[in-house]
Order: sequence, then C-alpha cells, then structure tokens
Amino acid sequence: NAGVTQTPKFRVLKTGQSMTLLCAQDMNHEYMYWYRQDPGMGLRLIHYSVGEGTTAKGEVPDGYNVSRLKKQNFLLGLESAAPSQTSVYFCASSSEEYTEAFFGQGTRLTVV
Amino acid sequence: GNSVTQMEGPVTLSEEAFLTINCTYTATGYPSLFWYVQYPGEGLQLLLKATKADDKGSNKGFEATYRKETTSFHLEKGSVQVSDSAVYFCALSPTGGFKTIFGAGTRLFVKA
Repeated sequence: NAGVTQTPKFRVLKTGQSMTLLCAQDMNHEYMYWYRQDPGMGLRLIHYSVGEGTTAKGEVPDGYNVSRLKKQNFLLGLESAAPSQTSVYFCASSSEEYTEAFFGQGTRLTVV
Repeated sequence: GNSVTQMEGPVTLSEEAFLTINCTYTATGYPSLFWYVQYPGEGLQLLLKATKADDKGSNKGFEATYRKETTSFHLEKGSVQVSDSAVYFCALSPTGGFKTIFGAGTRLFVKA
C-alpha cells in the first residue's frame, strides 16, 4: 500500500529559484492538502483541493501555487523561493467517508 | 473560528509512567476529534479518533474521550514505553467539513 507519496524527500534551493513538489495518492480520495510544519507552530494549511481541477487557498498561501490536473496528484509550486519558505512540507489526503487525513513522509526544503 | 490548543512540551517521562497530554478545542457544532502521532523523520499518522460526544477513541494503549461540556480531548496512556517517544498532535475536523485543524504538537521523550 503506497498511500500518499511525496517527491522529493529533500531539496536545497537558492533564493529566487523555483521548484515543484509532487504528491500522489492511490486511495481515490477527493480532498488533498499541502501543509508546512515549522518548529512550535504545528501544521499550517497552504492550499487544498476538493476535487480534480479545483484548488483553494488555506491559511498561508502567499508565495505558493498549486494544481490538481488529475485526481491522484496535487502539485505545490514555489515560483521564487525565499529563506522564509525553509520548512518541512507535508501532503495529505482525505475522503468524504473517512475524515481523517493520510499523510506523506514529508519534504524537507532548505532555501539559502 | 475553529482552533485547537494543546499543552506545550517537551514532556519527559520515565518508562512505565502515566501520560496525559491536554487538548482543548473551539468549534461550532460537533467536530470530529483526532490524535495524530509523528515519529522522527516520518509523516503524521492517525493514532485515534472520536466523532461524537462521550465517544472514547483508543489504540496502542492510548485513550482519549470526547468531552463536549469541557471542549476537551485529553490523551492518556497508563504506562509509556521508550518507543512512544514522538510528537503528538491534537486535531479537529469541523462539522460537515474537512480541512483538519491541528494543534501545535507536544513532544514526548520517554527515558529507559
């Protein structure tokens, strides 16, 4: 059972560079989310999606963009990375039937 | 708005000690409540959940009871083990919704 898979697991970027984080789930879940985790701040929602072709802003969306062209994939993009975006990023998914979220292993991103 | 407050850590215990991690919430209606656990280097995984008042969620020796009158969902375990060392997150999913809201997390260290 793959569940939720994130790639890459680690990445170092220079300020101003761009990158895309990929999230894939094989549970046919309707909802998908991107969170960032910072020390002492828990998890904060960046963007989310309620279905294929839909996206919406979460709590901290600035500096990020997302796309969900296929139901199983949710991409998080950073167009111009900043040191404040150094964090651990988690993708998660859930369904209408089971409200608990299933998480990927995380991506540790460092922006220098 | 909806929010979750949990006790700050770290919490350090000796093996076989009793564990309580406090969690209180603010929400309208009847949210679902969760405890997630995050082991070092991993994503979050669901530990237990409760979906209505007075429900008790339990798993791996951990328990939590949904107390609507005190808006609380405290996590307890009678005898902790070194392998329980992790970060524990209290969370809620609003009535009829998704977008799980997380507390800041409580780090638990268990000494042999």
